Amino acid sequence: GQQLNQSPQSMFIQEGEDVSMNCTSSSIFNTWLWYKQDPGEGPVLLIALYKAGELTSNGRLTAQFGITRKDSFLNISASIPSDVGIYFCAGPGGTSYGKLTFGQGTILTVHP
Amino acid sequence: GAGVSQSPSNKVTEKGKDVELRCDPISGHTALYWYRQRLGQGLEFLIYFQGNSAPDKSGLPSDRFSAERTGESVSTLTIQRTQQEDSAVYLCASSLGSGVDTQYFGPGTRLTVL
Repeated sequence: GQQLNQSPQSMFIQEGEDVSMNCTSSSIFNTWLWYKQDPGEGPVLLIALYKAGELTSNGRLTAQFGITRKDSFLNISASIPSDVGIYFCAGPGGTSYGKLTFGQGTILTVHP
Repeated sequence: GAGVSQSPSNKVTEKGKDVELRCDPISGHTALYWYRQRLGQGLEFLIYFQGNSAPDKSGLPSDRFSAERTGESVSTLTIQRTQQEDSAVYLCASSLGSGVDTQYFGPGTRLTVL
């Protein structure tokens, strides 16, 4: 089946630093989604990308849909303590468009 | 309520027992999804309901797992004869329709099988 590989697995950064994480796939995805999960909560959608090459921002977050449609990255600028959490990439898998395939997540820790 | 709700929030059970997990989607959302999240892992798709169509059960790991949905309302995920490897957080999500509509997740049910 389709798999998404995220890197790095975890990051420890100082408040104010910029962060970059990425997601790759062996197969083409037509939509890339980035979610954040806080402890004890379900994931929340941050950014959705629908077109190869698309660059989309949401506040301090910027994400890009790779030209090959096999990768995407998420940048967070000027990190703050509330950015702590697990970041997942996801995309529709198989023939059922609503069914999402998730990466294994990047754990972000921000030191004040 | 405004969001997806799930109950119970935590469930501890003994190996071999059956469990039922409940999901209340956002009112008006026609699509409902169940995912499983093992410790330190991403989410694994289990099953997907869209309106009155036959559900997509392709992610259910074994015949011990089943799910039902009443119309476009509540859904129940049932795990029969639970095993220790079933221990995980079970997350429910709903969306207005299918396709690329945003999926809104509930807080999950943490299942521990002793």
